[in-house]
Amino acid sequence: EIVMTQSPATLSVSPGERATLSCRASQSIITNLAWYHQKPGQAPRLLIYGASTRATGVPARFSGSGSWTEFTLTISSLQSEDFAVYYCQQYNSWPLTFGGGTKLDIK
Amino acid sequence: EVQLVESGGGLVQPGGSLRLSCAASGFTFSSYGMNWVRQAPGKGLEWISFISGSNSAISRYYADSVKGRFTISRDNAKNSLYLQMSSLRDEDTAVYYCARVPGYDYFEYWGQGILVTVSS
Repeated sequence: EIVMTQSPATLSVSPGERATLSCRASQSIITNLAWYHQKPGQAPRLLIYGASTRATGVPARFSGSGSWTEFTLTISSLQSEDFAVYYCQQYNSWPLTFGGGTKLDIK
Repeated sequence: EVQLVESGGGLVQPGGSLRLSCAASGFTFSSYGMNWVRQAPGKGLEWISFISGSNSAISRYYADSVKGRFTISRDNAKNSLYLQMSSLRDEDTAVYYCARVPGYDYFEYWGQGILVTVSS
């Protein structure tokens, strides 16, 4: 099983600032990585797939990068609606696995 | 518009059984792989099962945590996905989501989730 590790567990950032979230895979997943965010009481929403491709309707302030085992999600200028929990997920091999999440808090 | 609506959740005793359903609309259901993903209270996301679309021979995959206890199935004529859960344990308490994948990969669309509580 591929273990996904996200850091930090919590990130406090002010609105308008930049946020950088990290995700590491225990073995190479090439670029078979997706990012989601989840607000309280809601289902997760797909943001990025293929490590760097934005899903339909996702604002350009969200960008993903990385390959093999190291990945980054960057939010260039945080809006109030971006404060949520963020998860990465690998789909390189079964079982599909998620990281433990990064909670993005308002500073 | 793609819609996924789960039903069938509720309170069940340990060792009991429950069947979840997911009604799909807004797309050609038979063409897509479908999954169940769950989230225990206050915890992260856990993928638990996948079933392929009917464009190829049906494939099913399960997480080790549910293998042998849960069975995923689909009825393309009814645009529905199911999860038959048996030998339920306290640790199966979670919100269960159905989710569509474009292939064997990431979760494009999610239902709103349904709560399953396993408790005596």
